[in-house]
Amino acid sequence: DAGITQSPRYKITETGRQVTLMCHQTWSHSYMFWYRQDLGHGLRLIYYSAAADITDKGEVPDGYVVSRSKTENFPLTLESATRSQTSVYFCASSERDSEAFFGQGTRLTVV
Amino acid sequence: LAKTTQPISMDSYEGQEVNITCSHNNIATNDYITWYQQFPSQGPRFIIQGYKTKVTNEVASLFIPADRKSSTLSLPRVSLSDTAVYYCLVGDSNYQLIWGAGTKLIIKP
Repeated sequence: DAGITQSPRYKITETGRQVTLMCHQTWSHSYMFWYRQDLGHGLRLIYYSAAADITDKGEVPDGYVVSRSKTENFPLTLESATRSQTSVYFCASSERDSEAFFGQGTRLTVV
Repeated sequence: LAKTTQPISMDSYEGQEVNITCSHNNIATNDYITWYQQFPSQGPRFIIQGYKTKVTNEVASLFIPADRKSSTLSLPRVSLSDTAVYYCLVGDSNYQLIWGAGTKLIIKP
């Protein structure tokens, strides 16, 4: 099925552990994004990618690492998870200057 | 980067037209105005985008005055399923968008 999928949907991890959130899109969109959304707030951009092997920081990149070796995948890694990184993470994709399509989100809890 | 101001919440009733106004005083010449809708536990979904005057699609209309310092999202004849958070965003690219807290719209029967 065409679309954008995130995995896992829910994740509980311990402080200090490394965790990777996966994002896969089937449209071959050039742009992909990672956002976090804290309870009751809007989205904040963590990282984005304009094409394979091109990534750039967003508003809140500290503590996160991304890669984009293939156009369709854009994994987000928390190198050493902290409680402040407890949030809902959304991945999105788009063509340049076009509407963004969002995944269902990953609810991450760091204990 | 242009920031937006919109009401925190609004109530309306089924069958009514709902207008949500957003102010964006420092909008730049190249900026578009985009609205997204978000249901609980889901990612945002694109509603409409415009640059000036009026844009209409199958779900909403977007009114933009000549000075472009504000915009109004109009939802005709809302239903209970339109209860959601609505975000007004301004920017010329997706990676420049600043997401505020949005407007929580509650539709009552």
